[in-house]
Amino acid sequence: DVKVTQSSRYLVKRTGEKVFLECVQDMDHENMFWYRQDPGLGLRLIYFSYDVKMKEKGDIPEGYSVSREKKERFSLILESASTNQTSMYLCASSLVGRGTSGSFHEQFFGPGTRLTVL
Amino acid sequence: DAKTTQPTSMDCAEGRAANLPCNHSTISGNEYVYWYRQIHSQGPQYIIHGLKNNETNEMASLIITEDRKSSTLILPHATLRDTAVYYCIVNAGKSTFGDGTTLTVKP
Repeated sequence: DVKVTQSSRYLVKRTGEKVFLECVQDMDHENMFWYRQDPGLGLRLIYFSYDVKMKEKGDIPEGYSVSREKKERFSLILESASTNQTSMYLCASSLVGRGTSGSFHEQFFGPGTRLTVL
Repeated sequence: DAKTTQPTSMDCAEGRAANLPCNHSTISGNEYVYWYRQIHSQGPQYIIHGLKNNETNEMASLIITEDRKSSTLILPHATLRDTAVYYCIVNAGKSTFGDGTTLTVKP
């Protein structure tokens, strides 16, 4: 079974702090993703990475950065946390896309990190 | 990416089939339809996907219309543990999940 783990289930930080959210997958997947989930807004894609040191912006990258130094690890960084970044953060991974369609294979999600910024 | 439209919520009696619809009228020819579900306090879980043909696995069946503009996820014998939010997405390189359908299975 694919396993995607996230460093913390719950995290409380103060405004202005630098926050690191870590995600590790054990199935040698090329693609990794970071989402945030808020009531009424669904899951919104923040960033994704299709290879080591490669990244692309998703729908809401502002206020976030990412790092992928190793294939199995994808980090989400909040350079200066703000209260509007209080949310559930979900990491996912998948195999490389399906041929010419560009569609990703199915994604496997971690359990999520509930971040509260005070 | 094609957008999808799903009903906000649905109820289903335990033991009956749950049929969850999804409209994706702007889908293009090479885009797959994926279904996931999310049980409270967990990450989303992949259920099934399809391109043109109907698909079945141990969890569910997926019926895609001939024009591919809509699909239906079928849980043949819903149980209380199937209560969850179900997401239909069309994935062409980026995955953005909408609000999905909240399915409540009632005894």
